[in-house]
Amino acid sequence: QVHLVQSGTEVKKPGASVKVSCKVSGYTLTELSMHWVRQAPGKGLEWMGGFDPENGETIYAHKFQGRVTMTEDTSTDTAYMEVSSLRSDDTAVYYCASPVIIDALDVWGQGTTVTVSS
Amino acid sequence: FMLTQPHSVSESPGKTVTISCTRSSGSIATNYVQWYQQRPGSAPTPVIYEDDQRPSGVPDRFSASIDSSSNSASLTISGLKTEDEADYYCQSYDGSNHRVFGGGTRLTVL
Repeated sequence: QVHLVQSGTEVKKPGASVKVSCKVSGYTLTELSMHWVRQAPGKGLEWMGGFDPENGETIYAHKFQGRVTMTEDTSTDTAYMEVSSLRSDDTAVYYCASPVIIDALDVWGQGTTVTVSS
Repeated sequence: FMLTQPHSVSESPGKTVTISCTRSSGSIATNYVQWYQQRPGSAPTPVIYEDDQRPSGVPDRFSASIDSSSNSASLTISGLKTEDEADYYCQSYDGSNHRVFGGGTRLTVL
């Protein structure tokens, strides 16, 4: 059974960067296609990007290209998502998620709260 | 493209409710639609994948379909239970495998 365990709460100032981790257990990271989804307070889900197995590359939602970087460390089965030049509207819960059994995001991390405030 | 859902729906226990998800451009039939349930304070979980398939463990009270004439997908929950009260999100793809979520629908079972 696969589990995704994310890093803890972060508080950052505007203009700073944040790097959230997502540790995989039960599977190896190479067996998954990791995606990142965020949810601002009281708002809906927003897909940020993820690994596209069809072309073997990480793809990003257009609004995050250039400001978000998703990386993987296969030696520790840990995925990372870094957001730079943080703004107050980046305040959100950030989730890692992956398809495992079905063609949908069926395994999710517990979420990491990132607060951007001066 | 965008996926538009009603902000909220409500219905009584035992009744049936349908949540719509309308695609703004491109055919709804071209890319699979998934549906997620999110209870307060929890991560989302899929209740429908590949337009109309139920993951293991999801009761058959949950069903879904797509309608090309209205360019929309629908999630139907029958025999409503109080435990079905949650936010529901549709999700589909563009031509480059980018995922797009609908704005979400708050289901109240009263």
